[in-house]
Amino acid sequence: GAVVSQHPSWVICKSGTSVKIECRSLDFQATTMFWYRQFPKQSLMLMATSNEGSKATYEQGVEKDKFLINHASLTLSTLTVTSAHPEDSSFYICSARAGEVADTQYFGPGTRLTVL
Amino acid sequence: QQQVKQSPQSLIVQKGGISIINCAYENTAFDYFPWYQQFPGKGPALLIAIRPDVSEKKEGRFTISFNKSAKQFSLHIMDSQPGDSATYFCAAALGRYGNKLVFGAGTILRVKS
Repeated sequence: GAVVSQHPSWVICKSGTSVKIECRSLDFQATTMFWYRQFPKQSLMLMATSNEGSKATYEQGVEKDKFLINHASLTLSTLTVTSAHPEDSSFYICSARAGEVADTQYFGPGTRLTVL
Repeated sequence: QQQVKQSPQSLIVQKGGISIINCAYENTAFDYFPWYQQFPGKGPALLIAIRPDVSEKKEGRFTISFNKSAKQFSLHIMDSQPGDSATYFCAAALGRYGNKLVFGAGTILRVKS
């Protein structure tokens, strides 16, 4: 099946610093990528949808200046958490969609962010 | 209308038993209903999915039952095994060319050996 990778798998940073998380589709081209946030024992919350070469569409309540998303190529999207604070500590999961239909969406393994 | 309601929140099943997780939705425009399995510290993995033109889909020990009139769908795990212990999420996508998956709250399944 299609493989989506994320890097790093976990990161610890100090409050006030910025952290970049990469999401790559390894064996397919992803026209659309999604970024989710998941708190412990909770569901996935969609943060934003990005299409290659265009600006990301953020969900209501997600600060676009804090969570910068770049989808520069058909295989790479990045999420940068700027000026991270302890409340940003969470599990961030990306997914990539190979086509236009939902059943071609594949999830990455997630990145655990801990802000001290 | 965009919500997908999932129950139960947690479930304990004996090895060899049947695990049943239920989901309900309101938006009749949803036409793709997947189930995902997630292990701790991992991303969700697609388990099985169904479209509303069929009432049941079976893949190995996993079966989705779909009731279009009741706007409900469920996951049945037959002969549940300890390795099935995970969190299960139902989801729904809007339209044939759905842009977003709407997730249920999740069910923590524990299979006791």
